[in-house]
Amino acid sequence: DAGVIQSPRHEVTEMGQEVTLRCKPISGHDYLFWYRQTMMRGLELLIYFNNNVPIDDSGMPEDRFSAKMPNASFSTLKIQPSEPRDSAVYFCASSSNHRDTQYFGPGTRLTVL
Amino acid sequence: DQQVKQNSPSLSVQEGRISILNCDYTNSMFDYFLWYKKYPAEGPTFLISISSIKDKNEDGRFTVFLNKSAKHLSLHIVPSQPGDSAVYFCAASATGANNLFFGTGTRLTVIP
Repeated sequence: DAGVIQSPRHEVTEMGQEVTLRCKPISGHDYLFWYRQTMMRGLELLIYFNNNVPIDDSGMPEDRFSAKMPNASFSTLKIQPSEPRDSAVYFCASSSNHRDTQYFGPGTRLTVL
Repeated sequence: DQQVKQNSPSLSVQEGRISILNCDYTNSMFDYFLWYKKYPAEGPTFLISISSIKDKNEDGRFTVFLNKSAKHLSLHIVPSQPGDSAVYFCAASATGANNLFFGTGTRLTVIP
């Protein structure tokens, strides 16, 4: 398997623009997680899905952030409008059950100018 | 509030010596702990885990120790190798919870 795939790897945008991050989990994994990595807070869980259904979105910073999982092989994290403080590395991870090892994608480095 | 804390942002160790990375947690419901390793421009990868029914788990050069009374765990790497240079994240979860709580990471540099 190719592992968790994320795109784009890098994104530079201007404040106010919409940003969409994409993730393809490992085939057969039922859980998908979106994380944000910052120096101050480390890896923060934003939202996770089980069988394409959002289970916990309490980590989503505010209404500017939204995530969808229309099918088992694809998820998006959207920021609209983006702000400079959203600059971070965003990771997607998947696992076969909720206590199992999570497999991370390579991340998307987002820079909002 | 950080439920998992790694108070040392960085650590430098000579090749061949022991590296000890520390992690503290505050939630007494945590019963499963993991260490992940992260290289630059890559996602974190699973390294080793331990259940709260144990106080030690060993895998080759890597050993994780758990002290439940102190709510503390540590990762020992011996002997340390230059390829071990990376950021190490401690993570924890509780039975019934579906997510992991991560620390802020410790950057390990192994000096040749």
